[in-house]
Amino acid sequence: EAQVTQNPRYLITVTGKKLTVTCSQNMNHEYMSWYRQDPGLGLRQIYYSMNVEVTDKGDVPEGYKVSRKEKRNFPLILESPSPNQTSLYFCASSPTSGGAPGELFFGEGSRLTVL
Amino acid sequence: AQKITQTQPGMFVQEKEAVTLDCTYDTSDPSYGLFWYKQPSSGEMIFLIYQGSYDQQNATEGRYSLNFQKARKSANLVISASQLGDSAMYFCAMREGGYSSASKIIFGSGTRLSIRP
Repeated sequence: EAQVTQNPRYLITVTGKKLTVTCSQNMNHEYMSWYRQDPGLGLRQIYYSMNVEVTDKGDVPEGYKVSRKEKRNFPLILESPSPNQTSLYFCASSPTSGGAPGELFFGEGSRLTVL
Repeated sequence: AQKITQTQPGMFVQEKEAVTLDCTYDTSDPSYGLFWYKQPSSGEMIFLIYQGSYDQQNATEGRYSLNFQKARKSANLVISASQLGDSAMYFCAMREGGYSSASKIIFGSGTRLSIRP
């Protein structure tokens, strides 16, 4: 089954404790991206990647890191989480040919709470 | 700069009525794509419909159609014959640039649609 898998789905952590949210897709998509969803603000892009070893900042990259060492994986790293990073996080991927150009395939979301 | 605006935070519609969800956008790139996604209360994001900036016809997918008015920079979603299962949050999104340059894909703040029986 074609899918984007995020882990963990739910996480409660404390300020300053490094964490990683993993994202993996099995559709051989070149493009991958991370978003955070906050009430009233919609989805805001954190980082995106056009392909392996190619990443770039979205609109809200502060406090986050990413890497793209393999095509299928795009982990999101919070080196020192703070309470303002409490949010619902989505990973998404997209092919660069066929279908609706740029259609995003989303993971199920990861709800993160930083105390 | 890229921008997507959804001015309706919430809407209530009677079942079986048609509903229009508003979306306006701003971009200086002549090549772009517009999307609508549905997010039910379960939280997953579901792709509904796509419109390319060079497409001559308005996009349609079953009960969904996209009313694309390029000069007005609007891309409203029309749902015909609404159903209770249409109750959800709806997001308008835009990709700037051509297909191979999928980069920033930005979203509006969303409209929460509630269908009354």
